[in-house]
Amino acid sequence: QQQVKQSPQSLIVQKGGIPIINCAYENTAFDYFPWYQQFPGKGPALLIAIRPDVSEKKEGRFTISFNKSAKQFSLHIMDSQPGDSATYFCAVTSSNTGKLIFGQGTTLQVKP
Amino acid sequence: GAGVSQSPRYKVAKRGQDVALRCDPISGHVSLFWYQQALGQGPEFLTYFQNEAQLDKSGLPSDRFFAERPEGSVSTLKIQRTQKEDSAVYLCASSFGQGNSPLHFGNGTRLTVT
Repeated sequence: QQQVKQSPQSLIVQKGGIPIINCAYENTAFDYFPWYQQFPGKGPALLIAIRPDVSEKKEGRFTISFNKSAKQFSLHIMDSQPGDSATYFCAVTSSNTGKLIFGQGTTLQVKP
Repeated sequence: GAGVSQSPRYKVAKRGQDVALRCDPISGHVSLFWYQQALGQGPEFLTYFQNEAQLDKSGLPSDRFFAERPEGSVSTLKIQRTQKEDSAVYLCASSFGQGNSPLHFGNGTRLTVT
């Protein structure tokens, strides 16, 4: 049973566009929601994370929107650039474990 | 800069061979995790150490998988009698604290079992 479902599987946007990646979870015990970026041949790198006491967090061009009642959260990339082309993973965890459960990933291509 | 270091970067093993994968976490990091990432999939949790104590090994797929961190720093993931389905990238990650401290990942070891 997938504890976190991520969509879409792949996404192509033009430079300057705003790709949106969505994740949904089931377990209300989760209390930390990070997004990771992964380039080919590299390990995932933390982009931005949110806790359920806020509905939005922005860091640079990256924004997380969080809907606690719907148990959904999403990543928005403003003014996307070709260098943002990568695979993005959402993840969930609870404070008492620290064990991340990852989504299936979204491959983003930003065309020049 | 000293990040999480994993070796070897690539390992080819014949089915039935034993392999050992090494992880050097960031100095001072208490928590260490191993993940398995199949091609085109998200990382899947294998096991977790807090210092030298293995607190969670619920993700290890079979008793052929064994991990240790005897002195609370370097960790080794061992796979005995490798099978083709073990082919994947094995990622190590470390964090300074417990709970939700940010995880820093290494670049992984790509294991191919032929």
